[in-house]
Amino acid sequence: GAGVSQSPSNKVTEKGKDVELRCDPISGHTALYWYRQSLGQGLEFLIYFQGNSAPDKSGLPSDRFSAERTGGSVSTLTIQRTQQEDSAVYLCASSHRTGDFMNTEAFFGQGTRLTVV
Amino acid sequence: KNQVEQSPQSLIILEGKNCTLQCNYTVSPFSNLRWYKQDTGRGPVSLTIMTFSENTKSNGRYTATLDADTKQSSLHITASQLSDSASYICVVGNQAGTALIFGKGTTLSVSS
Repeated sequence: GAGVSQSPSNKVTEKGKDVELRCDPISGHTALYWYRQSLGQGLEFLIYFQGNSAPDKSGLPSDRFSAERTGGSVSTLTIQRTQQEDSAVYLCASSHRTGDFMNTEAFFGQGTRLTVV
Repeated sequence: KNQVEQSPQSLIILEGKNCTLQCNYTVSPFSNLRWYKQDTGRGPVSLTIMTFSENTKSNGRYTATLDADTKQSSLHITASQLSDSASYICVVGNQAGTALIFGKGTTLSVSS
């Protein structure tokens, strides 16, 4: 697609349920990032993929959070047994590495607004 | 640990005034630095990118500076407009090209 696509755009779920958030990066972009943004807060790094591997998972807040990427394209962020503090906007971004120079223009999706009730 | 620190966390200014946002980083070896603007409810959009050899880059009323020796960058906004109200995020890429490190952003509010 022309841009980074995230789905769903909004998700309301009951506490304790599992949710899956999807990110379709720009075609050909090798790097993919997941962030979350709580109300009034800055971006909080969750996980980074280069291809299908995740060299940096340091931001995942607990073992209830996991993410995978298949075929070097689509990524899914899964939150198990959701808690109210998981409520936030989850943003996905992708970027293209060109040769030895990292193009840091990360293109962002519109995000998934997750509300845990 | 590679970090990007931004200040102030938030800022309120009157329409027409100038302001400067700061970004300090410890990412090494450094590749490049980009400033993003994030309007409320939307994803961040790139404003400008700078490599270690560039000191200043302008984009309309936005001027970014970079001092690679002190590892500091600033974003100066002149003649602010109401539409400048947003979060401004500093992002640094490492030379290995393995990661982007995002600052937490500065929230700017321009009032009339």
